Amino acid sequence: AQSVTQLGSHVSVSEGALVLLRCNYSSSVPPYLFWYVQYPNQGLQLLLKYTTGATLVKGINGFEAEFKKSETSFHLTKPSAHMSDAAEYFCAVSGPNAGNMLTFGGGTRLMVKP
Amino acid sequence: DVKVTQSSRYLVKRTGEKVFLECVQDMDHENMFWYRQDPGLGLRLIYFSYDVKMKEKGDIPEGYSVSREKKERFSLILESASTNQTSMYLCASSLSRGLAGEQFFGPGTRLTVL
Repeated sequence: AQSVTQLGSHVSVSEGALVLLRCNYSSSVPPYLFWYVQYPNQGLQLLLKYTTGATLVKGINGFEAEFKKSETSFHLTKPSAHMSDAAEYFCAVSGPNAGNMLTFGGGTRLMVKP
Repeated sequence: DVKVTQSSRYLVKRTGEKVFLECVQDMDHENMFWYRQDPGLGLRLIYFSYDVKMKEKGDIPEGYSVSREKKERFSLILESASTNQTSMYLCASSLSRGLAGEQFFGPGTRLTVL
């Protein structure tokens, strides 16, 4: 069985500060890992994903995440927060034999202060 | 671009009513999913379908049913709506192979049951 834990249901940063959203997973098979973003009153949009290969993955809007197998982590970062980054972020995991099923974390709401 | 549309953005129903939520995707995806989203709980899978007329229960199927008569359309049915089914409902679709299970989401339907 797979599971995802996102530490911190709410994170607040100042505009221009580093954004760090934490995600830890458990999986019995090599995982595929995803970060989705949800802006207010919208569906989820893919930010980035890790499947195989390079462990540092770059996504849209300046976000990146690093797959660390030894730490079972896939934390999301952005060097400098922008007001438009305020949204809810979801980490998700699937596996090659998981039949395209995604398991989601509980979400982290990012607030950006001016 | 993949497009997933949902029939309503906002819906208000009364307890005991039968409710239909419709979802349509235009990219010939085999898999379709219904989730509900509640604060702090992330996304929870209600039902999914990997082919026409096929359906599988997710994590929280109680009180819901689904219908998939055509490949592009996946309907969620609340046979007798209850107040604890007030939630945001998200539909998603994915290919059966490739893209490592990436799912594409609709904008969501916010359902209120009075």
